Amino acid sequence: AQSVTQLDSQVPVFEEAPVELRCNYSSSVSVYLFWYVQYPNQGLQLLLKYLSGSTLVESINGFEAEFNKSQTSFHLRKPSVHISDTAEYFCAVSSNFNKFYFGSGTKLNVKP
Amino acid sequence: DVKVTQSSRYLVKRTGEKVFLECVQDMDHENMFWYRQDPGLGLRLIYFSYDVKMKEKGDIPEGYSVSREKKERFSLILESASTNQTSMYLCASSFSDRGAEAFFGQGTRLTVV
Repeated sequence: AQSVTQLDSQVPVFEEAPVELRCNYSSSVSVYLFWYVQYPNQGLQLLLKYLSGSTLVESINGFEAEFNKSQTSFHLRKPSVHISDTAEYFCAVSSNFNKFYFGSGTKLNVKP
Repeated sequence: DVKVTQSSRYLVKRTGEKVFLECVQDMDHENMFWYRQDPGLGLRLIYFSYDVKMKEKGDIPEGYSVSREKKERFSLILESASTNQTSMYLCASSFSDRGAEAFFGQGTRLTVV
């Protein structure tokens, strides 16, 4: 069985400050890891994903996540956030059968 | 662009009604999913389909059924709607390749009164 834990339900941060959203997973098999973002009243959009290779993956809008196998973590970071980053962020895992399991989400609230 | 389209953004139904939520994808994806999203609980998998007429139960299938008669269409059915099924419902689809990402629809906010 797979499960995903997002430790922080809400993260308030000031604009231009760094942020880290935490994600831990449990799985007995190899997994693929994803971060999705959900803006208000919208569906989920893929932010970035880890399949294999380099443990650091980046998105086009400045987010990055690092796969840490020993700590079973896939934390999301951004060195300087913008107001427009305000959204809910979901960590997800899938395995060979491509069922996706999601965490409970972290609401990022960027304040001016 | 991949498109996953859910037939309604908002629905209000009465307790005991049979409710159909429709989802169509245009990317020839093998896999389709129905999730339920509730505050603080994230997304929970209701049903998963990996091929036409094939389905698997997810984590919370009770009170729901699904239908996939065509590859592009995946329907979620609430046999007898109840107030505890008031929620946001999200449809998604993906290729069957390992590590393929899921693409989501805009969601249907269902209120059962």
